[in-house]
Amino acid sequence: AQTVTQSQPEMSVQEAETVTLSCTYDTSESNYYLFWYKQPPSRQMILVIRQEAYKQQNATENRFSVNFQKAAKSFSLKISDSQLGDTAMYFCAFMNGNQFYFGTGTSLTVIP
Amino acid sequence: ETGVTQSPTHLIKTRGQQVTLRCSSQSGHNTVSWYQQALGQGPQFIFQYYREEENGRGNFPPRFSGLQFPNYSSELNVNALELDDSALYLCASSRRDRNTGNTIYFGEGSWLTVV
Repeated sequence: AQTVTQSQPEMSVQEAETVTLSCTYDTSESNYYLFWYKQPPSRQMILVIRQEAYKQQNATENRFSVNFQKAAKSFSLKISDSQLGDTAMYFCAFMNGNQFYFGTGTSLTVIP
Repeated sequence: ETGVTQSPTHLIKTRGQQVTLRCSSQSGHNTVSWYQQALGQGPQFIFQYYREEENGRGNFPPRFSGLQFPNYSSELNVNALELDDSALYLCASSRRDRNTGNTIYFGEGSWLTVV
């Protein structure tokens, strides 16, 4: 069974600073995808970044980057130059066979 | 805008009743998945439909059922509603024969409250 664990229920960061959200997962699969989704109060799930397990290079998307450690089954999200609009719930997700497995989320608050 | 539309956005039902939630997937997407997100939790996979057939199911009882239509839109039906069914129901559409991840879009969800 696939499981995703986010051990930080809540985090806060000062505007313009950097924050890292943690995620670990468990799977016996070798081919899979990992994602970070953002869910603002509107409840729309917005894709932040994705990582293919077969790629060793860490994905980056503007201010967002990941630290993917396949052997440790760790997939953390770094947000640089935090902005007020980054305030939201962040979900780490694992995908294999078109089914997402989500963590319980981290509520991030960016403080002005 | 993701092109995935869900209706209704909010509804209240009484325990024991039945509910139908609807999802219009993005144009060109042939796969629809449904997720249940209880308050304070991450979304949980209910089932997926691909070309009008169920293609995978999570740990949900048979009273959760679905349909996918030829235009790839979908319905989620829940019978004999229980209080614990109160949740946000999310629809996600994708095109199965393309690389996954970049082409998966979520709707804004349907809030169901069971009283």
